[in-house]
Amino acid sequence: EIVLTQSPGTLSLSPGERATLSCRASQSVSSINLAWYQQKPGQAPRLLIFGASSRATGIPDRFSGSGSGTDFTLTISRLEPEDFAVYYCQQYGSSPPTFGGGTKVEIK
Amino acid sequence: EVQLLESGGGLVQPGGSLRLSCAASGFTFSSFAMSWVRQAPGKGLEWVSGISGSGGGTYYADSVKGRFTISRDNSKNTLYLQMSSLRAEDTAVYYCAKGMCSSNTCARQGYFDYWGQGTLVTVSS
Repeated sequence: EIVLTQSPGTLSLSPGERATLSCRASQSVSSINLAWYQQKPGQAPRLLIFGASSRATGIPDRFSGSGSGTDFTLTISRLEPEDFAVYYCQQYGSSPPTFGGGTKVEIK
Repeated sequence: EVQLLESGGGLVQPGGSLRLSCAASGFTFSSFAMSWVRQAPGKGLEWVSGISGSGGGTYYADSVKGRFTISRDNSKNTLYLQMSSLRAEDTAVYYCAKGMCSSNTCARQGYFDYWGQGTLVTVSS
């Protein structure tokens, strides 16, 4: 199965700053089949990005995804207070679908 | 509005069984694959099982294969997960999640646009 490694584990930033989250796959993810989710404490994950760079319905344009092959990035251009959460990447190019270990974006 | 409501979680002894349900509304249930994804306390997400829209294709993580059974009743818009031979490491919040299409491919390797709020399963003596 494809192992996804997210870095950093924790990102300490202030509102208004730019966040750059990394997701690296143990082997190439076919057809850019990579998604990103946001999860807040006590809540279910919420889909942000699919197809590596397509925003899901209702997701603000400050969220953007990029990458291909084994290296993917989620960028939050200007952090809003509601963006402080844990972010997970997920590959769905091969079975089983797998998730990264998560990056926590916390308030500095 | 899409809604997914899980139920059936609780405390069970090691070796025991439990059946989870997920009631779906707000979309044509039979047109979409569905999955169960779990999250151990303080840990990340793990895909557990997926089923095609028709129910004809079922898929499992190696960690639960032979112990868990996924099924669906499209007439009741409900997804199920029958869990048996439960272990302490099965302790987690179990989420049902909606796939993006009906096919076997979506069932075994899709992504998820809607999630329920989860139901907690605790395996302990």
